[in-house]
This record gives sequence, structure tokens and C-alpha cells, in this order.
Amino acid sequence: AQSVTQLGSHVSVSEGALVLLRCNYSSSVPPYLFWYVQYPNQGLQLLLKYTTGATLVKGINGFEAEFKKSETSFHLTKPSAHMSDAAEYFCAVSRTGTASKLTFGTGTRLQVTL
Amino acid sequence: GAGVSQSPSNKVTEKGKDVELRCDPISGHTALYWYRQSLGQGLEFLIYFQGNSAPDKSGLPSDRFSAERTGGSVSTLTIQRTQQEDSAVYLCASSLAGTRNEQFFGPGTRLTVL
Repeated sequence: AQSVTQLGSHVSVSEGALVLLRCNYSSSVPPYLFWYVQYPNQGLQLLLKYTTGATLVKGINGFEAEFKKSETSFHLTKPSAHMSDAAEYFCAVSRTGTASKLTFGTGTRLQVTL
Repeated sequence: GAGVSQSPSNKVTEKGKDVELRCDPISGHTALYWYRQSLGQGLEFLIYFQGNSAPDKSGLPSDRFSAERTGGSVSTLTIQRTQQEDSAVYLCASSLAGTRNEQFFGPGTRLTVL
């Protein structure tokens, strides 16, 4: 079975500050890992994913995440927050393979203040 | 060209009525998924279809829920005898087989059961 834990249901940062959203996973097999963003009243948009290879992955809008197997973590970071980053962020895990359901964390709502 | 589309965008129904939610996946995507997003339960997997294989129904919460995918394309999620706890946003996603499970999400259908 797989699971995802996102620490902090709400995170508030100042514009220009570092964004750090935490995600830890549990998986009995090497997982695929994803971060999705959801803006109000919209569907989910993929930010970035880790499947194999380089453990530091870069995504859209300046976000990146690092897969750390020893810590079972996949934290999302962005060096400098913008007001437009305010949204809800979901970490997800799936089994490796061609197609598999995603197991999501509970989400972290990011607030960006002036 | 488009992405995944879902209809209706909003549905209000009375307790006990049946509802049908529709999903049009991205053309050529062989895998199709349904998820439910609710305040109490977060994002939950419901069912997925992969090509001609038997669907994975392991996430359906009760036998009131069913889904079909006709011709390997459009899918319909049916909820019979709706209950208030069925109120949620129902999200559909699709993916290509072999693309390491990058799922593209539709905007969702917001279901309200009165």
C-alpha cells in the first residue's frame, strides 16, 4: 500500500520568500512521485514529477523538488514566492508501470502575502 | 485539442435521484481515471480504465457507484440513489499508456445533493 503525508495544511509566506512544502511518502516499491497545483475552481495541473534518474526535478513556474529515498521525502520548493503562487498543492504517489492510480496527500494551501 | 472535458460543470440534485457525470478524455489516451474531491475525504481514487482491460474498481465507495467507458473514449460515472455525502467535486483524468503515469485532469463536476 502507498500513502502520502503532507505536513502543514496551510503555509503562509511573504512575496519573495522561499516556499517549502513538505511531502513524505510510504511505498513498498520504488514509487513515481508528483506535485500537482490546484487554483480555485479549477482542476489539477501537474507541476513536476519524479520517475527515474536525476533526483532533483524541475517543474513549471520555477518550482523544483528533490527525491530523497533515505528520508522518503519529496519536498517542493521555490526560491522566491509570487502572489500568483497562491493555490492548493497536492503531493501524489503511484506505482511504477504504465498506468496506475494516484494516491494523494491531503493538500497544502499556500498563501502569499505582501 | 483540447484537454480533458467534463460535463456538466455543476449538478444539483435531490437526495435519492440518479445522476450521470460525463468525461471526454484527451484523444488517444488509453487510460482514464475518476477521482472524488470532498472536504472531509480529500482526493480519493474511484475507478480507472486501461485500454481493454477490466477496470480497477477498487475505489468505488458503494454499489451505488458505477462507471463505464464506451469505445475506449468517453466515460460516464453514474451514482444511483444519491445521498448527501455524495456531494463533492468529481474529477476525471486521462493518460497515455507508458508515459509514466502523467495524468491530465479535467475541471471537474461539482455535485450537490440536497
